[in-house]
Amino acid sequence: LAKTTQPISMDSYEGQEVNITCSHNNIATNDYITWYQQFPSQGPRFIIQGYKTKVTNEVASLFIPADRKSSTLSLPRVSLSDTAVYYCLVGAGGTSYGKLTFGQGTILTVHP
Amino acid sequence: NAGVTQTPKFQVLKTGQSMTLQCAQDMNHNSMYWYRQDPGMGLRLIYYSASEGTTDKGEVPNGYNVSRLNKREFSLRLESAAPSQTSVYFCASSPTGFTEAFFGQGTRLTVV
Repeated sequence: LAKTTQPISMDSYEGQEVNITCSHNNIATNDYITWYQQFPSQGPRFIIQGYKTKVTNEVASLFIPADRKSSTLSLPRVSLSDTAVYYCLVGAGGTSYGKLTFGQGTILTVHP
Repeated sequence: NAGVTQTPKFQVLKTGQSMTLQCAQDMNHNSMYWYRQDPGMGLRLIYYSASEGTTDKGEVPNGYNVSRLNKREFSLRLESAAPSQTSVYFCASSPTGFTEAFFGQGTRLTVV
């Protein structure tokens, strides 16, 4: 499985756009990139998944450059409720082989 | 919509005692996972089951056993609890492999 590297923590203010970058230099051809969000005392929640270029949903956007060695989760206009830990995962999508491995994640703190 | 249900939510054990954490999902998912999360840390994969009838070790399997009882249920057993196993345990399920995973509410286990 590809190893991922994320910043340990980030700070932002309400209303700003936040970009969290994840490095995954050893990503394999059939690997997908997935981001999860975790609030204190809760299990992680799926945010977004992508393979290449750009993916957008109602919560976030995921930017993946052509070489796929990194990805950026973009959260538009964050609020205090976006304060959470964000995890980047890389692995083979759509297969029966499942091994979801989480790293340390990025602690995002949104200030008033 | 129950999703992933874990029981119990809280448990205190004495060192050396045994117990089984139960997990059930009602989404007809093939893959199921058990994680532990220590304070201030990311999630660490204990065991996973890619499909009914199969189980595999994750990152930290020592001291644990699992049973994929059927497609719905995946239990985690501590045969002889140790203080180092004090943690929050999360169960998760996903349709297959690296697709969106859904997490339970967690079991907060304290071993004294």
